[in-house]
Parts: sequence; structure tokens; C-alpha cells
Amino acid sequence: EPEVTQTPSHQVTQMGQEVILRCVPISNHLYFYWYRQILGQKVEFLVSFYNNEISEKSEIFDDQFSVERPDGSNFTLKIRSTKLEDSAMYFCASRNVEGGKNIQYFGAGTRLSVL
Amino acid sequence: LAKTTQPISMDSYEGQEVNITCSHNNIATNDYITWYQQFPSQGPRFIIQGYKTKVTNEVASLFIPADRKSSTLSLPRVSLSDTAVYYCLVGQGGGRRALTFGSGTRLQVQP
Repeated sequence: EPEVTQTPSHQVTQMGQEVILRCVPISNHLYFYWYRQILGQKVEFLVSFYNNEISEKSEIFDDQFSVERPDGSNFTLKIRSTKLEDSAMYFCASRNVEGGKNIQYFGAGTRLSVL
Repeated sequence: LAKTTQPISMDSYEGQEVNITCSHNNIATNDYITWYQQFPSQGPRFIIQGYKTKVTNEVASLFIPADRKSSTLSLPRVSLSDTAVYYCLVGQGGGRRALTFGSGTRLQVQP
């Protein structure tokens, strides 16, 4: 069964450093997403990406964040100058075109720990 | 987006059938009802989606009454590995829409 793959599974960084979280969406999917979940809290939407551009972003997704699809398979989330409050699980998701159904498939996540 | 209400938590025992009901009074005509499952430290996993009546797959069944103002996720014969948080999502179909997760229902299955 096709799946969304995320690397690394755990990233530890120092406050102020830049991190890049990587995702390989399901191969025939066209829409890509990043979500995050702070420990004990809800899953929160960050950004969606379609046709090589951001299609929607939340208030969380400020200038500190950027996304890129550098090639035909990877989808990355870059966090510049990390802060302690960026510590969370980050999930990548993808979906295909299925009319109104919007079924998104999630990766296992990257746990980001900012020290 | 239709607001959803589901129980905060439920307890069950292995082998029992578990039914989790979600209320969504403001559901729109073109809205689908989707359920996700999340284990600790893992991403949400799609379980089932439906529009009306009943949908069944290898994991669960979804019952939707005619007025579509509620839905019930049914997990047959749960096991310990079904312990997870279950999310009901409504009205987030189409386009490039982000999903909005609530707090979900925390299901604890006991031996």
C-alpha cells in the first residue's frame, strides 16, 4: 500500500538553528500539506501546496516557515531560526483529486525537539 | 465548516463492539463525513468516509441517518490495538482544503 514517508523521525536542534523536514508524498498525489501537533494538543494545519505553489496557509505559517518541492518526489518544510515553541510533531499529508472527498493520507511524522 | 461534537473519551473491553457517535447539525448538502484514527506519536490515519446511509470497509462501518445530522462509527470486536483517538471531520471536502481536527474521542480498550 502506498504511503507518505517522512524523515527524519526525530530531529533535535538548538534554538535559533534552521531545520528542514522532509516528506515523500504518495506518488500520484497532487495536493500536499503540512500539519503540526504540539504534545497533548490538536492537530493544526500549517500549509497546503498545489501546482508548485502555496494554496492556503494558517496564521501559524509565518515568515519563519517555507515549503518547497525541489524535485518530483520530495516536499520539504523549512523552519528558520527555530524557537522553543516550535517543538512538536510535524505531519506531512497528501491527497489525490477525488472530487469532494478530500481524503488526506498522513505520514508517521517528524518529532522536532528544540532545545 | 460544520461544527462536530463527539464524546471526549470512551472505554471498552476486548471483543466488544464500539460505537462512537458524532453530531454535526450544520452539515451542508455537499459535505462528506470522514473519520480518522490516531495512535500516540503517529499521524492521523484515514478510516472511513461516507455521505449517507451505511458504508462498510475492512476496518469499520459508518452509519449515517437520513437527516445526516449525526453519524456513528462502529468498530466491531475491538482489540487492545484499537486504543487510539478517533476524529470525526465534516464539511471539509473539495478543493485544496485543509482539515480541521477537533479533540476527538479517546478510546481505551481494556483486556
